[in-house]
Amino acid sequence: AQKITQTQPGMFVQEKEAVTLDCTYDTSDPSYGLFWYKQPSSGEMIFLIYQGSYDQQNATEGRYSLNFQKARKSANLVISASQLGDSAMYFCAMRVLQGGSEKLVFGKGMKLTVNP
Amino acid sequence: EPEVTQTPSHQVTQMGQEVILRCVPISNHLYFYWYRQILGQKVEFLVSFYNNEISEKSEIFDDQFSVERPDGSNFTLKIRSTKLEDSAMYFCASRVWTGGATNEKLFFGSGTQLSVL
Repeated sequence: AQKITQTQPGMFVQEKEAVTLDCTYDTSDPSYGLFWYKQPSSGEMIFLIYQGSYDQQNATEGRYSLNFQKARKSANLVISASQLGDSAMYFCAMRVLQGGSEKLVFGKGMKLTVNP
Repeated sequence: EPEVTQTPSHQVTQMGQEVILRCVPISNHLYFYWYRQILGQKVEFLVSFYNNEISEKSEIFDDQFSVERPDGSNFTLKIRSTKLEDSAMYFCASRVWTGGATNEKLFFGSGTQLSVL
């Protein structure tokens, strides 16, 4: 079964430091995609980064990078130079394909708090 | 950047009442979705919609739920007779078909917080 696991319920980081948010996944499909979304206290879901299973290089989007280790089935998000505005819930998600349609399966999320 | 727009941002209703949650997906997008998030829990898939029909629906999406694309721009989720456990944040999402390209960004709206009393 397709599953996303985020084991860290919460993390604290000092402003300007880097932080890694863990995500492991389980799927038997050879083709899949992995996403990270940020959810601030206002509630909206903000796309951060995407990694396709066949992508040769780790995805990067500004201060966000994805440490994709396919053999370990992990897709950790690295935020460099944390900012106070990075404090939010972070969700890892996997695109799954079933019967010609597709959907995202989300992890439970983890709360990041950036301290000044 | 283009946005998925959802209205209303908050909806309060009495148990047993019908509610319609509205979404305007991004104009050139072809795939539409509803997800929900019960307070403190993870985001759950409800339904996907393509080419004017449901592509897939989850177990949550029972006969009380329906979706519609009444015109070229709106995408609605109707709950016929709301229950207390329907209280959640409902997210609409859309994406363009990229023909297998690697960028499969799924755009989410800001959500509608539904409270059933």
